[in-house]
Amino acid sequence: GEDVEQSLFLSVREGDSSVINCTYTDSSSTYLYWYKQEPGAGLQLLTYIFSNMDMKQDQRLTVLLNKKDKHLSLRIADTQTGDSAIYFCAYPRGSYIPTFGRGTSLIVHP
Amino acid sequence: GAGVSQSPSNKVTEKGKDVELRCDPISGHTALYWYRQSLGQGLEFLIYFQGNSAPDKSGLPSDRFSAERTGGSVSTLTIQRTQQEDSAVYLCASSLLWGGNTGELFFGEGSRLTVL
Repeated sequence: GEDVEQSLFLSVREGDSSVINCTYTDSSSTYLYWYKQEPGAGLQLLTYIFSNMDMKQDQRLTVLLNKKDKHLSLRIADTQTGDSAIYFCAYPRGSYIPTFGRGTSLIVHP
Repeated sequence: GAGVSQSPSNKVTEKGKDVELRCDPISGHTALYWYRQSLGQGLEFLIYFQGNSAPDKSGLPSDRFSAERTGGSVSTLTIQRTQQEDSAVYLCASSLLWGGNTGELFFGEGSRLTVL
């Protein structure tokens, strides 16, 4: 299977919470990342979590890490239309090569 | 410049022609990466530079693909004898790997290549 797996699409109503899930294979990473790609743009780091943490909260974003199950999730509270984008889960393969999932397209509708 | 700059932003070429894509990373970033983004395929790693050397070029799909980096700065990705399956967005990213930073990658906006 792939190193990083994500579902391809998520559709939510404006104001609801969005939860984007990711599973990965390499358990030796120091950091795990969530990147955001808006239409026609490159990727931008949204948030990251140390591998020795279970949870990280940053305003509307909550990252949960389950190392035992190699599962990472990103929760966006009060989702807005401006949150519509592709979200990528990533971790560094070996020491320096960030490996990305296929990305989850988040569609926010009124 | 303030960010990673890529050129051209769009390139349309005929099958069999050679193309060069350029990346200008953030000043002082020692690491530089090339990725390819195809529809529905996510980001495919191509090559990684540390300074001017490429310790990992395992992602280059064929010997038609090559890349170089000069002066620890600008990088060029060259695709020879382009094929239609080379059509994609080619993304460049740079990073600081030392000093306890998180290894965050800073991406350019990409070069969209269309091979007719």
